[in-house]
Amino acid sequence: GQQLNQSPQSMFIQEGEDVSMNCTSSSIFNTWLWYKQDPGEGPVLLIALYKAGELTSNGRLTAQFGITRKDSFLNISASIPSDVGIYFCAGDTNAGGTSYGKLTFGQGTILTVHP
Amino acid sequence: KAGVTQTPRYLIKTRGQQVTLSCSPISGHRSVSWYQQTPGQGLQFLFEYFSETQRNKGNFPGRFSGRQFSNSRSEMNVSTLELGDSALYLCASNQGWVNTEAFFGQGTRLTVV
Repeated sequence: GQQLNQSPQSMFIQEGEDVSMNCTSSSIFNTWLWYKQDPGEGPVLLIALYKAGELTSNGRLTAQFGITRKDSFLNISASIPSDVGIYFCAGDTNAGGTSYGKLTFGQGTILTVHP
Repeated sequence: KAGVTQTPRYLIKTRGQQVTLSCSPISGHRSVSWYQQTPGQGLQFLFEYFSETQRNKGNFPGRFSGRQFSNSRSEMNVSTLELGDSALYLCASNQGWVNTEAFFGQGTRLTVV
C-alpha cells in the first residue's frame, strides 16, 4: 500500500535554530498537508499544498510540494519553545473512489526545542 | 466558526464491551473521516462518510463501524472490544470535495482493560 517516509524521526535543537523535515513517497500524491500534534490532542493543520512545485508560507513555516509529486518538505525558521510537538506530513491522492477522505500519514517527526 | 468536536474525550471500557464515539464536523462540512492512532501503527484510516453514505473504508475488521446523520454528525462504533483497540480515535472534517483541507478534532482516548 501507499507509504510516506518521513525524516528525521526526531530532532533536538536550540531555540532560534532553523528546522527542516521531509516526506517522500513511492506513489504520487496530489495534495500534501503538514500537521502539528501536541500530546493528547488532535493534529492541527499547518500548511496545505495543492500544486507541484508550490512553495507556501505560514508565518515562520514554509513548505514545498515536490515537482515529482512524490515528496514535500517543511521548514521552521527561528524555532521557539512552543514549536515543540510532533509534525506529520500527509498525502491525498484526490483520485476519488478509494481515496475519498483518506489521508496517508508519515510516521511523524518529534521536535524538541531547548531554550 | 466552531471546530470539530469529539465526545467523549476519554473512555475506559472492558474487553468484550462495545463503545460509541461521536464527532460533530465544522458547520458546512459534509465529509467525516475516522482515524485510529497508536504508537506502533501511527495514524490509520478507518472510514469516511459523506452525505450519510460510506464512501471509503480502510483495512479494519467488521467490529469497527460507523454512520453519519443528516446534520453530518458521525458516530463510530466498536463492538467486542479487544485490548489492542486502545488508541486515540480521531475524526477529520472536510468539505467533501477534491482539494479541500481536513481538520481534526481533539480525539477520543479509548482504553480497553
